[in-house]
Amino acid sequence: KNEVEQSPQNLTAQEGEFITINCSYSVGISALHWLQQHPGGGIVSLFMLSSGKKKHGRLIATINIQEKHSSLHITASHPRDSAVYICAANNNDMRFGAGTRLTVKP
Amino acid sequence: DGGITQSPKYLFRKEGQNVTLSCEQNLNHDAMYWYRQDPGQGLRLIYYSQIVNDFQKGDIAEGYSVSREKKESFPLTVTSAQKNPTAFYLCASSAGNFFWFFGPGTRLTVL
Repeated sequence: KNEVEQSPQNLTAQEGEFITINCSYSVGISALHWLQQHPGGGIVSLFMLSSGKKKHGRLIATINIQEKHSSLHITASHPRDSAVYICAANNNDMRFGAGTRLTVKP
Repeated sequence: DGGITQSPKYLFRKEGQNVTLSCEQNLNHDAMYWYRQDPGQGLRLIYYSQIVNDFQKGDIAEGYSVSREKKESFPLTVTSAQKNPTAFYLCASSAGNFFWFFGPGTRLTVL
């Protein structure tokens, strides 16, 4: 079993829909990261969480440390949000989920 | 602007040849990492270095080698011993545990 599990693996939405991507982890962490990977392959860091909730524009990330679970939400989704979203658990090193491929259709 | 540079973006090599992937950072980060990404799998750690002239094997180090002669540079050599080298390779750096940056990646195809 992977130390970091994401769901769903693939997600297709219509523009404007509310998106939720889930991440569960089994390792102890000092922080949890949400990353975005565009088709070209480069990865950018969206959020780093150690507790609670963070918001940046239309993106919201939450974490429940006791349940070892985090969610990434996208409000009013747009085709430009189409990408792979990766959850990563950070302790002494990073353990990555397999990613969720999001496609937002106009 | 600070960041990580990986070159080239796409690389093609014949089977049996060694190939070196470049990773350079100007973030003054001590720690640097190499990850491999295969379709449907999470990033897997190949090697990491927390300080110049020192590096450690990750989960899938077999068939790879690295060096860390300068703080800014962490090149990865994919040797002919690597049985399935075709993959997407990502370099990352970090300052402590929290500030992580990723490079744009190199897609290696072995023909």
